Amino acid sequence: QVQLQESGPGLVKPSQTLSLTCTVSGASIDSSGNSWTWVRQHPGKGLDWIGYITYSGRTDHTPSLRGRVAISVDTSKNQFSLKLTSVTAADTAVYYCVATTFRLGEMSVYWGQGTLVTVSS
Amino acid sequence: EIVVTQSPGTLSLSPGERATLSCRASQSVPSNSLAWYQQIPGQAPRLLIYGASSRATGIPDRFSGSGSGTDFTLTISRLEPEDFAVYYCQQYGTSVSTFGQGTKLEIK
Repeated sequence: QVQLQESGPGLVKPSQTLSLTCTVSGASIDSSGNSWTWVRQHPGKGLDWIGYITYSGRTDHTPSLRGRVAISVDTSKNQFSLKLTSVTAADTAVYYCVATTFRLGEMSVYWGQGTLVTVSS
Repeated sequence: EIVVTQSPGTLSLSPGERATLSCRASQSVPSNSLAWYQQIPGQAPRLLIYGASSRATGIPDRFSGSGSGTDFTLTISRLEPEDFAVYYCQQYGTSVSTFGQGTKLEIK
């Protein structure tokens, strides 16, 4: 069973960089066909797709955050990370890391429990 | 970027009734790469349907997905008490994926 765990500061000051890491167990970051995604959810609101990366480094981000977001993979630690620069209060949200795997034609999606990041001075 | 719109915003039904949720994309979703998720308050979302109509592992057969191109539907044949939650559709057919704004299914 694939499990994901987000880690990082729960409080970030405005204008600083939000950095989160997702530790993956039960699946290998460098398996082809899998993708590693960040999704956020503002309090009481819907799901916002942030971006994804594959082990080969293919990546993309939502246009609304382009220029501020970077997603990377650390195969040695089986982790992937999110960095969001120049944060404001509008970036306060629960951040989820998500794994999408394909096996024998079947798609599976695994979510971390989510971590609340508050942007405040 | 494909914009995904869900309707209705809120659906009020009773246990045992049939629920029909709609998801419309601003352009055709490549390969009908459309997923449905269920989110219970305080929990992470759970994948129900992928590829517009394939049920994810462990999902009861009262959940079914249909549609193609720009119009998709999630049907819950007979509502159980645990089905009252928020449902999201997501298109993942393009490099930039997008979610709908959600449909809240509440008990009438």
